[in-house]
Amino acid sequence: DTAVSQTPKYLVTQMGNDKSIKCEQNLGHDTMYWYKQDSKKFLKIMFSYNNKELIINETVPNRFSPKSPDKAHLNLHINSLELGDSAVYFCASSPRGKGSGELFFGEGSRLTVL
Amino acid sequence: DAKTTQPPSMDCAEGRAANLPCNHSTISGNEYVYWYRQIHSQGPQYIIHGLKNNETNEMASLIITEDRKSSTLILPHATLRDTAVYYCIVRDSSNTGKLIFGQGTTLQVKP
Repeated sequence: DTAVSQTPKYLVTQMGNDKSIKCEQNLGHDTMYWYKQDSKKFLKIMFSYNNKELIINETVPNRFSPKSPDKAHLNLHINSLELGDSAVYFCASSPRGKGSGELFFGEGSRLTVL
Repeated sequence: DAKTTQPPSMDCAEGRAANLPCNHSTISGNEYVYWYRQIHSQGPQYIIHGLKNNETNEMASLIITEDRKSSTLILPHATLRDTAVYYCIVRDSSNTGKLIFGQGTTLQVKP
C-alpha cells in the first residue's frame, strides 16, 4: 500500500487552463504539505495543513489554492496556469509531535505547462 | 532561508563509508538537525534526525559536534543505490516548524 499517493503523476496542459493535483495519505498523520521542485531542483514549501487547518502559507500566488476535505487528503488547485508553474509538485505528510519533522513524501506530480 | 552549508558534490567508492558534512553554525537550542535524501525522480526520503546526541538507525549514523555547529551523516557501507542528493536541514521543534531544503550534496557512489 502506497503511504502518500498523488494523482496524476504527469500532467501536460496549456497556459491559462485550470488543473488540480490530488494527494491522499493512509498513515493517519495530522499534517500534510505541498512542496514545489523547480527546474533547478530547489524544493520549496508552499502550504501545510494540520487537521484540515492551514498552518503554513508561503508566498505563493493566489492562483494556487489548497483544499483539505479531511485530514487524509490535501488537494492543490491551480488557476490560470503559467509557464513558470512547470515543476514537480510533491505532497507530504507527518505525524504530530516530536517526530513532526519526519515527512513522508509522495512520488511527485510533474506538471508541464505549454 | 537555508541555514545549512553543504559541499555541492562528493564521490564515494562502493562498500566504503560515505561521510557527508554539514555546517549549521547559527543553529539555536531548540533546532533539530534532519537529513533527507532524494534519489533521482523520486520523492525525498527521511533518513535520520538528532538534537545533541549522536544517533544511529538502520540507514545511517548522525554525528553532531558538541557545540552543535556542524554534523556528519555517515552511510557505513555505501551502495550504488545510495547515489542521491542528500539534504541537511535544521528545523525548530514547533508544530509549524518548516523543513527548508537547501541545495544539498550530490553523492555519487562509484563501483
